Amino acid sequence: NAGVTQTPKFRILKIGQSMTLQCAQDMNHNYMYWYRQDPGMGLKLIYYSVGAGITDKGEVPNGYNVSRSTTEDFPLRLELAAPSQTSVYFCASSYDSRSYGYTFGSGTRLTVV
Amino acid sequence: GQQVMQIPQYQHVQEGEDFTTYCNSSTTLSNIQWYKQRPGGHPVFLIQLVKSGEVKKQKRLTFQFGEAKKNSSLHITATQTTDVGTYFCAGYGGSQGNLIFGKGTKLSVKP
Repeated sequence: NAGVTQTPKFRILKIGQSMTLQCAQDMNHNYMYWYRQDPGMGLKLIYYSVGAGITDKGEVPNGYNVSRSTTEDFPLRLELAAPSQTSVYFCASSYDSRSYGYTFGSGTRLTVV
Repeated sequence: GQQVMQIPQYQHVQEGEDFTTYCNSSTTLSNIQWYKQRPGGHPVFLIQLVKSGEVKKQKRLTFQFGEAKKNSSLHITATQTTDVGTYFCAGYGGSQGNLIFGKGTKLSVKP
């Protein structure tokens, strides 16, 4: 049981480049989330999904896009990378939005130069 | 909007000392969760509290949920170097679809 798997673990992007952060879970969770964590800061919700085909914006969605074609996968797309997007990105999943703890992936450390 | 505040932001203790972090919400919470993030790691779910006044223990960790369900605390007795990390609380207020995370308390333990 792998839990939540994120790839890649590290990435350096140049300003203006695009990339997709991958997230997959094998727990059959309906709810999936993308967070960013800046140094010394808490977790800010970027996007979330309550099931396949359904996504919604979180607190800081600008510059990002998501899709949820399957229950297992929830990729995060960065278009036109900017230095402000330098951060650690965590994907998480849960059985529902309130009654169960979130399972986090190990994160993607992204640097935009 | 709903906010979850955590204090202190940082805490430095000598190994063996106790540690407490506090979490306060601007609104009543239906539940509260606690997470631990080791340095360089990812948040790991510790526990959830649901009932007013609830107290739960995990070895040296004691979690409390306030009577009004607007605050919570995590107390660690006799800290060890393995307790190092950032502790986050996260609450669900009911009017929003997702947990609201506090900014965390970073604990360092000096051997």
